[in-house]
Amino acid sequence: AQSVTQLDSHVSVSEGTPVLLRCNYSSSYSPSLFWYVQHPNKGLQLLLKYTSAATLVKGINGFEAEFKKSETSFHLTKPSAHMSDAAEYFCVVSAHASGGSYIPTFGRGTSLIVHP
Amino acid sequence: GAGVSQSPRYKVAKRGQDVALRCDPISGHVSLFWYQQALGQGPEFLTYFQNEAQLDKSGLPSDRFFAERPEGSVSTLKIQRTQQEDSAVYLCASSLSGTRFPYQETQYFGPGTRLLVL
Repeated sequence: AQSVTQLDSHVSVSEGTPVLLRCNYSSSYSPSLFWYVQHPNKGLQLLLKYTSAATLVKGINGFEAEFKKSETSFHLTKPSAHMSDAAEYFCVVSAHASGGSYIPTFGRGTSLIVHP
Repeated sequence: GAGVSQSPRYKVAKRGQDVALRCDPISGHVSLFWYQQALGQGPEFLTYFQNEAQLDKSGLPSDRFFAERPEGSVSTLKIQRTQQEDSAVYLCASSLSGTRFPYQETQYFGPGTRLLVL
């Protein structure tokens, strides 16, 4: 079994300030974790993914996330927000075991609002 | 190169009508996925194809939903006798390879088809 919880439905920041989007997961097996971004009228785009390699994962557009097994978290961060970062962000978990992998489970999304 | 495309982008159907939604994956991509995204929710998995084989259809909500990918490229999601609860955005995604762990691969998403059932 697996699940993912995005702790904030909306996050509001000023341009140039840090971004933190929180994600907690549960999984009975080794998880792969993803962050996707969805801009209006655009398809979801992969920001970064963790698949049991380095726990600090760097993605596109200056985003990064750290896998913390003890806290079952995979929070997304960026040092300095840009207006173009305003979008919907989804955390995704997909566990894998020796028999195969589990279908991805998406969080409900966090809407990032960036103020000038 | 070209990304994943979906058509139509918008579809309005009367309750009880049948609809067909098309997905053109990135050329050469082996795996293809369909998701349903209700308003204000994250996408939910519907089904997965590896080439023309439908390997997982565990997410299809009822037998009114049917998907095919007969030649291993273009896919069609068909919904028969549409109901109001079918109103959602239907997303298609593709990935390059069909490994033993297909859900760990990077997926490339299309813009979606927004279905409204009246």
